[in-house]
Amino acid sequence: ETGVTQTPRHLVMGMTNKKSLKCEQHLGHNAMYWYKQSAKKPLELMFVYNFKEQTENNSVPSRFSPECPNSSHLFLHLHTLQPEDSALYLCASSQGTGGHQPQHFGDGTRLSIL
Amino acid sequence: GEDVEQSLFLSVREGDSSVINCTYTDSSSTYLYWYKQEPGAGLQLLTYIFSNMDMKQDQRLTVLLNKKDKHLSLRIADTQTGDSAIYFCASDNAGNNRKLIWGLGTSLAVNP
Repeated sequence: ETGVTQTPRHLVMGMTNKKSLKCEQHLGHNAMYWYKQSAKKPLELMFVYNFKEQTENNSVPSRFSPECPNSSHLFLHLHTLQPEDSALYLCASSQGTGGHQPQHFGDGTRLSIL
Repeated sequence: GEDVEQSLFLSVREGDSSVINCTYTDSSSTYLYWYKQEPGAGLQLLTYIFSNMDMKQDQRLTVLLNKKDKHLSLRIADTQTGDSAIYFCASDNAGNNRKLIWGLGTSLAVNP
Protein backbone atom coordinates (compact mmCIF):
# COMPACT_ATOMS: atom_id res chain seq x y z
CA GLU A 1 0.00 0.00 0.00
CA THR A 2 1.36 3.33 -1.04
CA GLY A 3 1.92 6.07 1.55
CA VAL A 4 0.80 8.59 -1.07
CA THR A 5 -2.88 8.50 -2.05
CA GLN A 6 -4.30 10.22 -5.12
CA THR A 7 -7.95 10.76 -5.98
CA PRO A 8 -9.68 10.33 -8.29
CA ARG A 9 -7.85 7.54 -10.12
CA HIS A 10 -9.55 8.41 -13.41
CA LEU A 11 -11.10 11.67 -14.59
CA VAL A 12 -12.78 12.55 -17.86
CA MET A 13 -13.66 16.18 -18.37
CA GLY A 14 -14.60 18.61 -21.08
CA MET A 15 -12.45 21.55 -21.97
CA THR A 16 -14.73 24.00 -20.18
CA ASN A 17 -15.04 22.06 -16.92
CA LYS A 18 -13.35 22.80 -13.62
CA LYS A 19 -12.09 19.92 -11.53
CA SER A 20 -9.46 19.23 -8.86
CA LEU A 21 -6.99 16.45 -8.25
CA LYS A 22 -6.17 15.56 -4.67
CA CYS A 23 -3.05 14.07 -3.13
CA GLU A 24 -2.47 13.07 0.47
CA GLN A 25 0.72 11.66 1.98
CA HIS A 26 0.95 9.70 5.23
CA LEU A 27 4.73 9.58 5.43
CA GLY A 28 5.41 12.69 7.48
CA HIS A 29 7.23 14.30 4.56
CA ASN A 30 7.69 18.01 4.10
CA ALA A 31 7.94 18.25 0.31
CA MET A 32 5.32 17.41 -2.29
CA TYR A 33 5.43 17.36 -6.08
CA TRP A 34 3.17 17.25 -9.12
CA TYR A 35 4.42 15.48 -12.23
CA LYS A 36 2.88 14.95 -15.67
CA GLN A 37 3.54 11.61 -17.38
CA SER A 38 2.82 11.46 -21.12
CA ALA A 39 3.58 8.69 -23.58
CA LYS A 40 7.05 8.83 -25.14
CA LYS A 41 8.15 11.79 -23.00
CA PRO A 42 10.24 11.91 -19.84
CA LEU A 43 8.44 12.58 -16.61
CA GLU A 44 7.77 16.34 -16.42
CA LEU A 45 8.06 18.09 -13.08
CA MET A 46 5.28 20.66 -12.74
CA PHE A 47 5.32 22.05 -9.19
CA VAL A 48 7.26 21.59 -5.97
CA TYR A 49 6.15 22.57 -2.48
CA ASN A 50 8.38 22.50 0.58
CA PHE A 51 6.84 23.20 3.98
CA LYS A 52 3.67 24.40 2.17
CA GLU A 53 5.59 27.00 0.15
CA GLN A 54 5.87 26.69 -3.61
CA THR A 55 9.51 26.43 -4.55
CA GLU A 56 9.20 25.39 -8.18
CA ASN A 57 6.85 26.21 -11.03
CA ASN A 58 8.27 24.63 -14.14
CA SER A 59 6.66 27.04 -16.63
CA VAL A 60 3.30 25.37 -16.21
CA PRO A 61 0.31 27.04 -17.96
CA SER A 62 -2.00 28.95 -15.63
CA ARG A 63 -4.88 26.57 -16.40
CA PHE A 64 -3.16 24.36 -13.80
CA SER A 65 -3.33 25.87 -10.32
CA PRO A 66 -1.72 24.07 -7.37
CA GLU A 67 -2.68 24.44 -3.73
CA CYS A 68 -0.88 23.12 -0.68
CA PRO A 69 -2.85 23.84 2.52
CA ASN A 70 -0.47 21.77 4.69
CA SER A 71 2.49 19.43 4.31
CA SER A 72 0.22 16.39 3.96
CA HIS A 73 -2.14 17.61 1.25
CA LEU A 74 -1.66 18.84 -2.28
CA PHE A 75 -4.27 19.78 -4.84
CA LEU A 76 -4.14 20.53 -8.54
CA HIS A 77 -7.03 22.68 -9.73
CA LEU A 78 -7.84 22.34 -13.40
CA HIS A 79 -9.82 24.68 -15.65
CA THR A 80 -10.16 25.24 -19.37
CA LEU A 81 -7.83 22.36 -20.20
CA GLN A 82 -6.70 21.38 -23.68
CA PRO A 83 -6.66 17.92 -25.30
CA GLU A 84 -2.86 17.82 -24.99
CA ASP A 85 -3.29 17.95 -21.21
CA SER A 86 -4.56 14.37 -21.26
CA ALA A 87 -1.96 12.39 -19.30
CA LEU A 88 -1.24 10.60 -16.05
CA TYR A 89 -0.72 13.11 -13.23
CA LEU A 90 1.50 11.82 -10.47
CA CYS A 91 1.95 13.20 -7.01
CA ALA A 92 5.10 12.48 -5.01
CA SER A 93 6.49 13.39 -1.61
CA SER A 94 9.92 13.40 0.00
CA GLN A 95 11.37 14.26 3.38
CA GLY A 96 12.88 17.47 1.98
CA THR A 97 14.16 18.88 -1.27
CA GLY A 98 17.93 19.11 -0.77
CA GLY A 99 20.50 16.36 -1.25
CA HIS A 100 19.44 12.72 -1.20
CA GLN A 101 15.66 12.83 -0.81
CA PRO A 102 14.03 9.81 -2.48
CA GLN A 103 10.59 10.59 -3.79
CA HIS A 104 7.61 8.38 -3.07
CA PHE A 105 4.83 8.36 -5.64
CA GLY A 106 1.10 7.88 -5.63
CA ASP A 107 -0.66 5.77 -8.25
CA GLY A 108 -1.67 8.81 -10.27
CA THR A 109 -4.81 10.27 -11.78
CA ARG A 110 -5.43 9.33 -15.42
CA LEU A 111 -6.90 12.50 -16.96
CA SER A 112 -8.70 12.51 -20.29
CA ILE A 113 -9.81 15.79 -21.88
CA LEU A 114 -12.63 15.52 -24.39
CA GLY B 1 20.33 20.42 -20.93
CA GLU B 2 21.19 17.27 -19.04
CA ASP B 3 19.82 13.99 -20.30
CA VAL B 4 19.21 10.37 -19.30
CA GLU B 5 18.86 7.67 -21.94
CA GLN B 6 17.57 4.12 -21.77
CA SER B 7 16.70 1.48 -24.30
CA LEU B 8 12.93 1.25 -24.61
CA PHE B 9 12.31 -2.49 -24.57
CA LEU B 10 13.78 -5.67 -23.10
CA SER B 11 12.39 -9.18 -23.31
CA VAL B 12 13.70 -12.09 -21.20
CA ARG B 13 12.66 -15.59 -20.24
CA GLU B 14 11.47 -16.35 -16.76
CA GLY B 15 14.39 -17.43 -14.59
CA ASP B 16 16.99 -15.60 -16.66
CA SER B 17 18.80 -12.46 -15.55
CA SER B 18 17.68 -9.08 -16.90
CA VAL B 19 20.06 -6.19 -17.41
CA ILE B 20 18.62 -2.73 -17.96
CA ASN B 21 21.07 -0.05 -19.03
CA CYS B 22 21.07 3.71 -18.61
CA THR B 23 23.44 6.51 -19.59
CA TYR B 24 23.40 10.01 -18.16
CA THR B 25 25.18 13.23 -19.00
CA ASP B 26 25.46 15.12 -15.70
CA SER B 27 28.92 14.27 -14.38
CA SER B 28 28.05 16.03 -11.11
CA SER B 29 25.14 13.72 -10.31
CA THR B 30 25.42 12.52 -6.73
CA TYR B 31 22.65 9.94 -6.60
CA LEU B 32 21.21 7.72 -9.31
CA TYR B 33 17.89 6.01 -8.89
CA TRP B 34 15.93 3.10 -10.30
CA TYR B 35 12.13 3.20 -10.15
CA LYS B 36 9.62 0.57 -11.25
CA GLN B 37 6.17 1.30 -12.67
CA GLU B 38 3.65 -1.50 -12.95
CA PRO B 39 0.56 -1.08 -15.17
CA GLY B 40 -1.94 1.34 -13.69
CA ALA B 41 0.33 2.32 -10.84
CA GLY B 42 2.74 5.05 -9.86
CA LEU B 43 6.51 4.84 -9.63
CA GLN B 44 8.00 2.68 -6.91
CA LEU B 45 11.54 3.38 -5.71
CA LEU B 46 13.53 0.17 -6.21
CA THR B 47 17.05 1.19 -5.30
CA TYR B 48 19.61 3.95 -5.61
CA ILE B 49 23.37 4.30 -5.66
CA PHE B 50 25.66 7.01 -4.42
CA SER B 51 28.10 8.25 -7.05
CA ASN B 52 31.22 7.18 -5.10
CA MET B 53 30.10 3.54 -5.23
CA ASP B 54 30.69 1.06 -8.06
CA MET B 55 28.14 -1.51 -7.05
CA LYS B 56 25.19 -1.99 -4.77
CA GLN B 57 23.38 -5.27 -4.19
CA ASP B 58 19.93 -5.67 -2.68
CA GLN B 59 18.51 -9.21 -2.82
CA ARG B 60 17.86 -9.96 -6.52
CA LEU B 61 18.87 -6.46 -7.62
CA THR B 62 22.41 -5.41 -8.47
CA VAL B 63 23.24 -1.86 -9.52
CA LEU B 64 26.51 -1.18 -11.32
CA LEU B 65 27.84 2.32 -11.83
CA ASN B 66 30.63 3.29 -14.21
CA LYS B 67 31.11 6.93 -13.35
CA LYS B 68 33.80 7.47 -15.97
CA ASP B 69 31.44 6.40 -18.76
CA LYS B 70 28.34 7.76 -16.97
CA HIS B 71 26.71 4.36 -17.34
CA LEU B 72 24.33 2.76 -14.87
CA SER B 73 22.82 -0.71 -15.03
CA LEU B 74 20.22 -2.64 -13.09
CA ARG B 75 20.52 -6.42 -13.02
CA ILE B 76 17.55 -8.48 -11.88
CA ALA B 77 18.50 -12.05 -11.05
CA ASP B 78 16.05 -14.92 -11.57
CA THR B 79 13.55 -12.67 -13.34
CA GLN B 80 9.91 -13.48 -12.58
CA THR B 81 6.70 -12.59 -14.41
CA GLY B 82 5.96 -10.16 -11.59
CA ASP B 83 9.01 -8.19 -12.65
CA SER B 84 7.27 -7.21 -15.90
CA ALA B 85 7.01 -3.43 -15.69
CA ILE B 86 8.61 -0.21 -16.90
CA TYR B 87 11.90 0.64 -15.22
CA PHE B 88 13.00 4.27 -14.98
CA CYS B 89 16.49 5.54 -14.42
CA ALA B 90 16.88 9.02 -12.87
CA SER B 91 19.87 11.16 -11.96
CA ASP B 92 19.87 14.17 -9.69
CA ASN B 93 20.88 17.36 -11.43
CA ALA B 94 23.58 19.07 -9.42
CA GLY B 95 23.10 22.32 -11.27
CA ASN B 96 19.37 22.55 -10.72
CA ASN B 97 18.67 22.09 -7.03
CA ARG B 98 19.11 18.33 -7.36
CA LYS B 99 15.94 17.97 -9.42
CA LEU B 100 15.64 14.53 -10.94
CA ILE B 101 16.28 14.00 -14.64
CA TRP B 102 14.32 11.03 -15.92
CA GLY B 103 14.84 8.54 -18.69
CA LEU B 104 11.93 7.43 -20.89
CA GLY B 105 11.79 4.05 -19.17
CA THR B 106 12.59 0.50 -20.28
CA SER B 107 9.63 -1.81 -20.71
CA LEU B 108 10.61 -5.27 -19.42
CA ALA B 109 8.60 -8.23 -20.70
CA VAL B 110 9.13 -11.55 -18.94
CA ASN B 111 8.08 -14.58 -20.95
CA PRO B 112 7.15 -17.85 -19.24
